[in-house]
Amino acid sequence: DAGVTQSPTHLIKTRGQQVTLRCSPKSGHDTVSWYQQALGQGPQFIFQYYEEEERQRGNFPDRFSGHQFPNYSSELNVNALLLGDSALYLCASSLPAGGNTIYFGEGSWLTVV
Amino acid sequence: AQRVTQPEKLLSVFKGAPVELKCNYSYSGSPELFWYVQYSRQRLQLLLRHISRESIKGFTADLNKGETSFHLKKPFAQEEDSAMYYCASGAGNTGKLIFGQGTTLQVKP
Repeated sequence: DAGVTQSPTHLIKTRGQQVTLRCSPKSGHDTVSWYQQALGQGPQFIFQYYEEEERQRGNFPDRFSGHQFPNYSSELNVNALLLGDSALYLCASSLPAGGNTIYFGEGSWLTVV
Repeated sequence: AQRVTQPEKLLSVFKGAPVELKCNYSYSGSPELFWYVQYSRQRLQLLLRHISRESIKGFTADLNKGETSFHLKKPFAQEEDSAMYYCASGAGNTGKLIFGQGTTLQVKP
């Protein structure tokens, strides 16, 4: 049973560019959440997708957007990248019927130069 | 607003010594508390949930509503316990977790 998978694992972008990160949830999971983990910090909730819609959102600007596909996979898009967007981006999935028990992928390391 | 505080950035103990990683939360309702662990170069893994009242790898954690704490304990630390530990709080069955800043546990031989 594959867990949560994310791609790419590492990438480097230039300030002002746009980036798309991808996530496939754990088998049987229909809810996907994205977190940002800056160096030395705990993960911070960006947003959550369920039934292809954004269900809730953390305190992140509109430059951060996402999408969920019918197969429950998800994308995180960040526009107009800033140096401060450099972080580990974590995808997490959870079972139908919600619940707070979530499972994380290995993350995508984004470096903005 | 919901908040999770882990007061120690680093906790260093010798093998065989007891370990207590502190976690305090602030939430007006009834939160659900978790401990996650991240070993070197591995993904964040769920260690404990307070609703399960389970013991994983010798670790236990008790929710103390009076002190709003959920400290992680282990009576005898092992070198393989060295990792980053995060306390997290969820509310309302939403799947949104608030994380503390994490504590690095270093177990010396």
